[in-house]
Amino acid sequence: AQSVAQPEDQVNVAEGNPLTVKCTYSVSGNPYLFWYVQYPNRGLQFLLKYITGDNLVKGSYGFEAEFNKSQTSFHLKKPSALVSDSALYFCAVRDRKAGGTSYGKLTFGQGTILTVHP
Amino acid sequence: EPEVTQTPSHQVTQMGQEVILRCVPISNHLYFYWYRQILGQKVEFLVSFYNNEISEKSEIFDDQFSVERPDGSNFTLKIRSTKLEDSAMYFCASSERTSLSGANVLTFGAGSRLTVL
Repeated sequence: AQSVAQPEDQVNVAEGNPLTVKCTYSVSGNPYLFWYVQYPNRGLQFLLKYITGDNLVKGSYGFEAEFNKSQTSFHLKKPSALVSDSALYFCAVRDRKAGGTSYGKLTFGQGTILTVHP
Repeated sequence: EPEVTQTPSHQVTQMGQEVILRCVPISNHLYFYWYRQILGQKVEFLVSFYNNEISEKSEIFDDQFSVERPDGSNFTLKIRSTKLEDSAMYFCASSERTSLSGANVLTFGAGSRLTVL
Protein backbone atom coordinates (compact mmCIF):
# COMPACT_ATOMS: atom_id res chain seq x y z
CA ALA A 1 0.00 0.00 0.00
CA GLN A 2 1.13 3.54 -0.62
CA SER A 3 0.46 6.60 1.49
CA VAL A 4 1.35 10.26 1.71
CA ALA A 5 1.45 12.55 4.72
CA GLN A 6 1.49 16.32 4.70
CA PRO A 7 2.05 17.12 8.36
CA GLU A 8 1.01 20.76 8.17
CA ASP A 9 -2.58 21.73 7.42
CA GLN A 10 -1.49 25.34 6.95
CA VAL A 11 1.74 27.19 6.21
CA ASN A 12 2.00 30.95 6.56
CA VAL A 13 4.92 32.94 5.18
CA ALA A 14 5.67 36.56 4.39
CA GLU A 15 6.11 37.60 0.79
CA GLY A 16 9.75 37.42 -0.23
CA ASN A 17 10.62 34.80 2.36
CA PRO A 18 11.45 31.20 1.46
CA LEU A 19 8.68 28.66 1.81
CA THR A 20 8.62 24.94 2.47
CA VAL A 21 5.62 22.63 2.27
CA LYS A 22 6.41 19.23 3.74
CA CYS A 23 5.57 15.81 2.37
CA THR A 24 6.55 12.31 3.41
CA TYR A 25 5.54 9.13 1.66
CA SER A 26 5.41 5.39 2.04
CA VAL A 27 5.57 2.88 -0.80
CA SER A 28 6.71 -0.70 -1.06
CA GLY A 29 9.01 0.03 -3.97
CA ASN A 30 10.48 3.18 -5.45
CA PRO A 31 8.20 6.13 -5.91
CA TYR A 32 7.08 8.50 -8.56
CA LEU A 33 6.35 11.71 -6.67
CA PHE A 34 4.25 14.69 -7.67
CA TRP A 35 3.16 18.08 -6.45
CA TYR A 36 -0.11 19.61 -7.55
CA VAL A 37 -1.59 22.99 -6.67
CA GLN A 38 -5.25 23.96 -6.49
CA TYR A 39 -6.51 27.50 -6.76
CA PRO A 40 -10.11 28.36 -5.80
CA ASN A 41 -12.65 26.96 -8.26
CA ARG A 42 -9.93 25.38 -10.36
CA GLY A 43 -8.76 21.82 -10.87
CA LEU A 44 -5.52 20.46 -9.53
CA GLN A 45 -2.61 21.78 -11.58
CA PHE A 46 0.66 19.92 -11.99
CA LEU A 47 3.74 21.63 -10.53
CA LEU A 48 6.54 19.10 -10.73
CA LYS A 49 7.45 15.45 -10.48
CA TYR A 50 10.31 13.20 -9.49
CA ILE A 51 10.96 10.15 -11.66
CA THR A 52 14.64 9.37 -11.31
CA GLY A 53 18.04 11.02 -11.38
CA ASP A 54 18.79 14.36 -9.75
CA ASN A 55 17.15 14.57 -6.36
CA LEU A 56 16.39 18.26 -6.82
CA VAL A 57 13.49 18.75 -9.21
CA LYS A 58 12.55 22.13 -10.64
CA GLY A 59 9.01 22.87 -11.70
CA SER A 60 6.58 25.58 -12.62
CA TYR A 61 6.41 29.07 -11.12
CA GLY A 62 9.85 28.82 -9.49
CA PHE A 63 8.98 25.87 -7.29
CA GLU A 64 11.37 23.03 -6.63
CA ALA A 65 11.29 19.87 -4.55
CA GLU A 66 13.98 17.66 -3.11
CA PHE A 67 13.64 13.90 -3.08
CA ASN A 68 15.23 12.37 0.01
CA LYS A 69 15.09 8.61 -0.08
CA SER A 70 16.49 8.02 3.40
CA GLN A 71 13.90 10.30 4.95
CA THR A 72 11.17 9.29 2.46
CA SER A 73 10.42 12.96 1.93
CA PHE A 74 9.65 15.20 -1.01
CA HIS A 75 9.34 18.71 0.39
CA LEU A 76 8.21 21.54 -1.87
CA LYS A 77 10.27 24.72 -1.73
CA LYS A 78 10.50 28.17 -3.22
CA PRO A 79 13.27 30.66 -2.45
CA SER A 80 11.03 33.74 -2.46
CA ALA A 81 7.29 33.45 -1.93
CA LEU A 82 4.71 35.54 -3.76
CA VAL A 83 1.21 36.46 -2.59
CA SER A 84 -0.05 34.74 -5.74
CA ASP A 85 1.43 31.44 -4.50
CA SER A 86 -1.35 31.29 -1.90
CA ALA A 87 -3.27 28.10 -2.68
CA LEU A 88 -3.86 24.50 -1.62
CA TYR A 89 -0.92 22.19 -2.32
CA PHE A 90 -1.11 18.44 -2.70
CA CYS A 91 1.69 15.92 -2.66
CA ALA A 92 1.02 12.61 -4.42
CA VAL A 93 2.81 9.31 -4.91
CA ARG A 94 2.61 6.37 -7.22
CA ASP A 95 4.44 3.15 -6.46
CA ARG A 96 6.83 2.39 -9.29
CA LYS A 97 6.16 -1.30 -8.73
CA ALA A 98 2.44 -0.91 -9.37
CA GLY A 99 2.94 -1.28 -13.10
CA GLY A 100 0.33 -2.95 -15.24
CA THR A 101 -2.53 -0.68 -16.09
CA SER A 102 -2.24 1.37 -12.92
CA TYR A 103 -1.08 4.35 -14.91
CA GLY A 104 -2.84 7.04 -13.03
CA LYS A 105 -3.68 5.84 -9.60
CA LEU A 106 -2.16 8.49 -7.45
CA THR A 107 -2.36 8.56 -3.69
CA PHE A 108 -2.68 12.10 -2.39
CA GLY A 109 -1.84 13.76 0.86
CA GLN A 110 -4.52 15.72 2.65
CA GLY A 111 -3.27 19.02 1.29
CA THR A 112 -1.57 22.05 2.83
CA ILE A 113 -3.01 25.53 2.63
CA LEU A 114 -0.24 27.98 1.85
CA THR A 115 -0.90 31.61 2.71
CA VAL A 116 1.62 34.23 1.69
CA HIS A 117 1.13 37.58 3.44
CA PRO A 118 2.10 40.86 1.76
CA GLU B 1 -3.59 25.55 -22.98
CA PRO B 2 -5.81 22.44 -23.30
CA GLU B 3 -8.22 21.89 -20.44
CA VAL B 4 -10.35 19.15 -19.00
CA THR B 5 -13.88 20.48 -18.68
CA GLN B 6 -16.51 19.15 -16.30
CA THR B 7 -20.25 19.68 -16.07
CA PRO B 8 -22.18 20.48 -14.01
CA SER B 9 -20.07 22.52 -11.64
CA HIS B 10 -22.56 21.88 -8.88
CA GLN B 11 -25.46 19.44 -8.64
CA VAL B 12 -27.91 18.99 -5.81
CA THR B 13 -29.91 15.78 -5.78
CA GLN B 14 -32.15 13.76 -3.54
CA MET B 15 -30.95 10.54 -2.00
CA GLY B 16 -31.72 7.58 -4.24
CA GLN B 17 -31.64 9.57 -7.47
CA GLU B 18 -29.33 8.83 -10.35
CA VAL B 19 -26.63 11.35 -11.18
CA ILE B 20 -24.43 11.64 -14.25
CA LEU B 21 -21.31 13.76 -14.12
CA ARG B 22 -19.77 14.67 -17.43
CA CYS B 23 -16.21 15.34 -18.49
CA VAL B 24 -14.51 16.29 -21.73
CA PRO B 25 -10.87 15.15 -21.49
CA ILE B 26 -8.04 16.62 -23.51
CA SER B 27 -8.48 15.43 -27.06
CA ASN B 28 -5.22 13.51 -27.58
CA HIS B 29 -5.23 11.88 -24.15
CA LEU B 30 -5.82 8.16 -23.89
CA TYR B 31 -6.21 7.56 -20.16
CA PHE B 32 -9.14 8.86 -18.13
CA TYR B 33 -9.79 8.95 -14.42
CA TRP B 34 -12.24 9.94 -11.75
CA TYR B 35 -11.20 11.07 -8.31
CA ARG B 36 -13.30 12.47 -5.51
CA GLN B 37 -12.75 14.60 -2.44
CA ILE B 38 -15.16 14.53 0.44
CA LEU B 39 -15.12 17.86 2.25
CA GLY B 40 -12.14 18.03 4.57
CA GLN B 41 -10.69 14.73 3.39
CA LYS B 42 -8.07 13.56 0.93
CA VAL B 43 -8.46 13.35 -2.82
CA GLU B 44 -9.26 9.68 -3.46
CA PHE B 45 -8.87 7.58 -6.60
CA LEU B 46 -12.08 6.07 -7.94
CA VAL B 47 -11.39 4.57 -11.33
CA SER B 48 -9.14 4.63 -14.37
CA PHE B 49 -10.27 3.93 -17.93
CA TYR B 50 -8.28 3.02 -21.00
CA ASN B 51 -9.11 1.53 -24.36
CA ASN B 52 -12.83 1.63 -23.58
CA GLU B 53 -12.65 -0.37 -20.41
CA ILE B 54 -11.94 0.06 -16.74
CA SER B 55 -8.27 -0.60 -16.04
CA GLU B 56 -8.40 -0.17 -12.30
CA LYS B 57 -10.91 0.77 -9.65
CA SER B 58 -10.83 1.40 -5.95
CA GLU B 59 -12.94 -0.13 -3.20
CA ILE B 60 -15.09 3.00 -3.28
CA PHE B 61 -16.14 2.26 -6.87
CA ASP B 62 -18.85 -0.27 -6.13
CA ASP B 63 -21.80 -1.42 -8.23
CA GLN B 64 -23.52 1.94 -7.76
CA PHE B 65 -20.87 3.57 -9.92
CA SER B 66 -20.22 3.21 -13.62
CA VAL B 67 -18.18 5.01 -16.23
CA GLU B 68 -18.65 5.35 -19.93
CA ARG B 69 -17.10 7.02 -22.92
CA PRO B 70 -20.18 7.13 -25.09
CA ASP B 71 -19.06 9.16 -28.07
CA GLY B 72 -15.29 9.39 -28.18
CA SER B 73 -15.14 12.78 -26.53
CA ASN B 74 -17.21 12.67 -23.32
CA PHE B 75 -16.31 10.61 -20.29
CA THR B 76 -19.09 10.16 -17.78
CA LEU B 77 -19.44 8.98 -14.20
CA LYS B 78 -22.84 7.65 -13.24
CA ILE B 79 -23.99 7.08 -9.70
CA ARG B 80 -27.06 4.89 -9.91
CA SER B 81 -28.69 5.56 -6.56
CA THR B 82 -27.03 8.32 -4.62
CA LYS B 83 -26.38 8.13 -0.90
CA LEU B 84 -25.69 10.94 1.53
CA GLU B 85 -22.07 9.85 1.74
CA ASP B 86 -21.64 10.38 -2.01
CA SER B 87 -21.62 14.12 -1.40
CA ALA B 88 -18.20 15.25 -2.56
CA MET B 89 -16.25 17.08 -5.21
CA TYR B 90 -15.67 14.77 -8.16
CA PHE B 91 -12.63 15.41 -10.32
CA CYS B 92 -12.12 14.08 -13.81
CA ALA B 93 -8.58 13.77 -15.14
CA SER B 94 -6.86 12.59 -18.28
CA SER B 95 -3.30 11.81 -19.34
CA GLU B 96 -1.45 11.02 -22.52
CA ARG B 97 0.42 7.87 -23.29
CA THR B 98 4.14 8.08 -22.58
CA SER B 99 6.96 5.60 -22.44
CA LEU B 100 7.01 5.91 -18.68
CA SER B 101 3.33 5.43 -18.02
CA GLY B 102 3.73 5.41 -14.29
CA ALA B 103 5.05 8.94 -14.42
CA ASN B 104 2.12 10.28 -16.44
CA VAL B 105 1.05 13.77 -15.50
CA LEU B 106 -2.67 13.99 -14.94
CA THR B 107 -4.57 17.04 -16.10
CA PHE B 108 -7.55 17.64 -13.85
CA GLY B 109 -10.82 19.38 -14.42
CA ALA B 110 -12.19 21.98 -12.02
CA GLY B 111 -14.52 19.45 -10.45
CA SER B 112 -18.22 18.81 -10.05
CA ARG B 113 -19.61 19.35 -6.59
CA LEU B 114 -22.32 16.84 -5.76
CA THR B 115 -24.62 17.48 -2.83
CA VAL B 116 -26.95 14.65 -1.84
CA LEU B 117 -29.87 15.63 0.40
